[in-house]
Amino acid sequence: QKEVEQDPGPLSVPEGAIVSLNCTYSNSAFQYFMWYRQYSRKGPELLMYTYSSGNKEDGRFTAQVDKSSKYISLFIRDSQPSDSATYLCAMTRLSYSSASKIIFGSGTRLSIRP
Amino acid sequence: NAGVTQTPKFQVLKTGQSMTLQCAQDMNHEYMSWYRQDPGMGLRLIHYSVGAGITDQGEVPNGYNVSRSTTEDFPLRLLSAAPSQTSVYFCASSFSSLAGATETQYFGPGTRLLVL
Repeated sequence: QKEVEQDPGPLSVPEGAIVSLNCTYSNSAFQYFMWYRQYSRKGPELLMYTYSSGNKEDGRFTAQVDKSSKYISLFIRDSQPSDSATYLCAMTRLSYSSASKIIFGSGTRLSIRP
Repeated sequence: NAGVTQTPKFQVLKTGQSMTLQCAQDMNHEYMSWYRQDPGMGLRLIHYSVGAGITDQGEVPNGYNVSRSTTEDFPLRLLSAAPSQTSVYFCASSFSSLAGATETQYFGPGTRLLVL
């Protein structure tokens, strides 16, 4: 079983819809949770990160962590065609080398229809 | 700032050939890493470096070598290419090895490698 599971999609929604992207994980030691956006043939770019449980909002994006259920979500409000990309969840635990312990989900491909 | 740059963008190799994927960053970042991205597998860490002269293995290091002689450059060497190394390779950097916890990790545009 993978440490981080993510539905690959593709997910297609009309412009203006609310999008929900999700990941589940098995390692309860994870404390930091990230969402990356990756456009086609580009490198991933960090969208948001959260620590432990709770919500974090940044413009149209909201990241949610439920550590009791080992479940994280990314919500996109008022979705735009420019949001069409692959979204990767990622997580790690705090250590001397947290970066080398980041585990990535396989990504969900999202398409926003105009 | 150019950020993280990678060359080449695309490469075709024959089985058994060797090559070096180049990565450079101009942000004075101490931490650099190499990932490979395969369909359905997510990003997997190959090797990483916490500073010049210091490297370590990640999750999938076999068949790859790295060195870090300067802060800016972190090349990845394929010793004897195999079809299983067909993938997209990403280099990344961050200010320190706490990326993911308290810092952002920046990725390059990737190198697409096809091994025949």
